[in-house]
Amino acid sequence: VQLVESGGNLVQPGGSLRLSCATSGFTFINYAMSWVRQAPGKGLEWVSGISGNGGSTFYADSVKGRFSITRDNSENTVFLQMNSLRDEDTAIYYCAKDGTWREAPAFFNYWGQGTLVTVSS
Amino acid sequence: IVLTQSPGTLSLSPGERATLSCRASHSISSNQLVWYQFQPGQAPRLLIYSASTRATGIPDRFSGSGSGTDFTLTISRLEPEDFAVYYCQQYAISPKTFGQGTKVEIK
Repeated sequence: VQLVESGGNLVQPGGSLRLSCATSGFTFINYAMSWVRQAPGKGLEWVSGISGNGGSTFYADSVKGRFSITRDNSENTVFLQMNSLRDEDTAIYYCAKDGTWREAPAFFNYWGQGTLVTVSS
Repeated sequence: IVLTQSPGTLSLSPGERATLSCRASHSISSNQLVWYQFQPGQAPRLLIYSASTRATGIPDRFSGSGSGTDFTLTISRLEPEDFAVYYCQQYAISPKTFGQGTKVEIK
């Protein structure tokens, strides 16, 4: 199983960024996928999740209305569109595969190495 | 559910036993709690799920226990590669939440 994130960058407050997570080694459509972030010197925060068929999406209150998660099951890739970015969105963003067969995210049995998003003027 | 991990830092020597605590603000149903290991420069690793079941490929020196609001991760004999940061996470109630982490450092 491999998960490889990309798309992290320096962006100004109010700007947008799209993260990608390319996966391999498992039957992608069978599993929910999530994004989890870690701000510098802080703990972990689950950000968003999407069901295996893409029909259900889930968001933390801190990003609801600003972030959008999607997936392309033909390309085994999950995306996170981040709009109206704020300083407090600065973090390493990890892509994570769900460890259960549930529709909603539960826990994560495989993670990527993360991609850094820095929001600063 | 707020998860509080203790201690914040654990200073031990290789070969010693490590005991990490994770306390929940509310009871976690069906022991829906996991433990992860974070090493610098590496992808995080799932160690334990359902409070006490080792994930695939995890050595048996790692064990999890507990129920309700009190959970423990024990590393029976620390190997050099075990010095890392450990997080607990509950998946019983949305949003899924994490503890703030325990750093196990070499004494």
